[in-house]
Amino acid sequence: AQTVTQSQPEMSVQEAETVTLSCTYDTSENNYYLFWYKQPPSRQMILVIRQEAYKQQNATENRFSVNFQKAAKSFSLKISDSQLGDTAMYFCAFMNPTSGTYKYIFGTGTRLKVLA
Amino acid sequence: KAGVTQTPRYLIKTRGQQVTLSCSPISGHRSVSWYQQTPGQGLQFLFEYFSETQRNKGNFPGRFSGRQFSNSRSEMNVSTLELGDSALYLCASSFRPRTSGGAGNEQFFGPGTRLTVL
Repeated sequence: AQTVTQSQPEMSVQEAETVTLSCTYDTSENNYYLFWYKQPPSRQMILVIRQEAYKQQNATENRFSVNFQKAAKSFSLKISDSQLGDTAMYFCAFMNPTSGTYKYIFGTGTRLKVLA
Repeated sequence: KAGVTQTPRYLIKTRGQQVTLSCSPISGHRSVSWYQQTPGQGLQFLFEYFSETQRNKGNFPGRFSGRQFSNSRSEMNVSTLELGDSALYLCASSFRPRTSGGAGNEQFFGPGTRLTVL
């Protein structure tokens, strides 16, 4: 069974600094997708970044980038120049579309607090 | 383009009652998934609907059910409510393309329905 593990329940970072959130997953599949979602205190979940497993290049979205290590089954999120608005719960998610299964597996989340 | 909408946003029920939650996906999205979010269990997958058919089901009792209409709107129903059903229920929609790869696999979430069972 596929699993997603986020080993850091809580983290904090000073404004303008860089922080990395960890995520590891377990799967025997070769074709899958990985996502980072952000859930601010208002509770609306927002997609931050996505990565297709067949792409070796790490995805980047402005200040957000990932370090995708397929062999190690690791998918960390780096937030550069942290802003107060980055304070949120961050969830790592895995999805394998094989055989039409679109079930997402989520990690337990990392609560990130950006300090002024 | 309007986002995923969920109604109602807040709901208070008592044990033994039943409840129906509604979700309207982003226009053009054909897949709707439901999740239960609690502080202790995180995000737990309930089920996914696509083309009015349940395609996936999580590990929840039969008290939890759902359906999808021809316009892709979805409802979930919880019967015989228990205290442990208190949670934030999230709906997410995606385009769910016919091919397994490419864009369209990401899910977009609604604001959720906060259900409190007394």
